[in-house]
Amino acid sequence: DAGVTQSPTHLIKTRGQHVTLRCSPISGHKSVSWYQQVLGQGPQFIFQYYEKEERGRGNFPDRFSARQFPNYSSELNVNALLLGDSALYLCASSLVTASGNTIYFGEGSWLTVV
Amino acid sequence: AQSVTQLGSHVSVSEGALVLLRCNYSSSVPPYLFWYVQYPNQGLQLLLKYTSAATLVKGINGFEAEFKKSETSFHLTKPSAHMSDAAEYFCAVSPQDSNYQLIWGAGTKLIIKP
Repeated sequence: DAGVTQSPTHLIKTRGQHVTLRCSPISGHKSVSWYQQVLGQGPQFIFQYYEKEERGRGNFPDRFSARQFPNYSSELNVNALLLGDSALYLCASSLVTASGNTIYFGEGSWLTVV
Repeated sequence: AQSVTQLGSHVSVSEGALVLLRCNYSSSVPPYLFWYVQYPNQGLQLLLKYTSAATLVKGINGFEAEFKKSETSFHLTKPSAHMSDAAEYFCAVSPQDSNYQLIWGAGTKLIIKP
């Protein structure tokens, strides 16, 4: 079975530009979460979507937005890019079971803002 | 608010020696607890998770962790380190009432000496 897939894997953008990152969850997973991981730090929670609705939002500015599509794939959009947005962006999909949630991560999208 | 503390940003052990990576959490109720591993330039892989069942949790690659409520700890151990264990390890918690929004420690880089 395919795992969580993310695209693109690497990209370079200029300050002020816009970026869209894409994520396809594991088949059957209805929840998608996004995390930002700055080099040398742990991931920071950005968004969580379940059944196409936003269920959680981390402490990120309004420049960050996301959405989930009917097929449960998701996009993360970042406007007016800043140098500090350079990071690994991780998508995770999860499945709720009787023992709680199991969260699986994709390989991530490396964003460099210059 | 919940938080996770991982003691030691870097831990160095000899091949064949015991691996001990420390994680303490702050929470008013026992949360779900996770250990993830991240190899260089890759995403995060789940090692093991605690979901209020057995306090000693066995994971992949010979790792295990013990939940100690009195110490609010969830330390990760492996009896004998292997060179392939060199990676960064993250401890994360998930609040009981928000299973999708992981809160992460800063990570511990495990270095294996030959």
